[in-house]
Amino acid sequence: NAGVTQTPKFQVLKTGQSMTLQCAQDMNHNSMYWYRQDPGMGLRLIYYSASEGTTDKGEVPNGYNVSRLNKREFSLRLESAAPSQTSVYFCASSSLGQKNIQYFGAGTRLSVL
Amino acid sequence: AQSVTQLDSQVPVFEEAPVELRCNYSSSVSVYLFWYVQYPNQGLQLLLKYLSGSTLVKGINGFEAEFNKSQTSFHLRKPSVHISDTAEYFCAVRPINTGTASKLTFGTGTRLQVTL
Repeated sequence: NAGVTQTPKFQVLKTGQSMTLQCAQDMNHNSMYWYRQDPGMGLRLIYYSASEGTTDKGEVPNGYNVSRLNKREFSLRLESAAPSQTSVYFCASSSLGQKNIQYFGAGTRLSVL
Repeated sequence: AQSVTQLDSQVPVFEEAPVELRCNYSSSVSVYLFWYVQYPNQGLQLLLKYLSGSTLVKGINGFEAEFNKSQTSFHLRKPSVHISDTAEYFCAVRPINTGTASKLTFGTGTRLQVTL
């Protein structure tokens, strides 16, 4: 049981380059989330998708776009990377219901030079 | 809106000693509370949760936490830590009755460093 899988695990970009972070879950969860983790700031929500076909902004959406490709996959795109986007990115998923628990992937470490 | 405060960014402790990691939250509505653990170079793993019922909740690896509504706290405790407990610990809250998505608000984390 793979759970939440993120690719790639590591990435180095130059300022202005674009890239897409991929996330897939095999738990038949309806909701999916993208967070970024920065030192001393905990995890902050970038975007989320409550169910297939819907996406909403989180706390720090600027500079990012997302696509809920299907129920399993939720991608995060950086159109023009900036050094301020250097971070560790986590994808998570959860089932429907108010008591649902979020399950996290192993993360993508992104450096923007 | 909710906020979570973890006052201690780092907690050093000797193996087999007890430990308490503090978490306080602020919210205008009732919340569910969670503790997650992040081992080095890994994702977050749920340690324990408070949804309702007994205010003392037990989690994995011998950890427990007590919900105190009047003090808006959810401190994490373990009576005797092990080297393998070295990790970063995050407290998180989620308001009740906000629809289908489980949006969490995280604290800034506490790094527990266990030494011999």
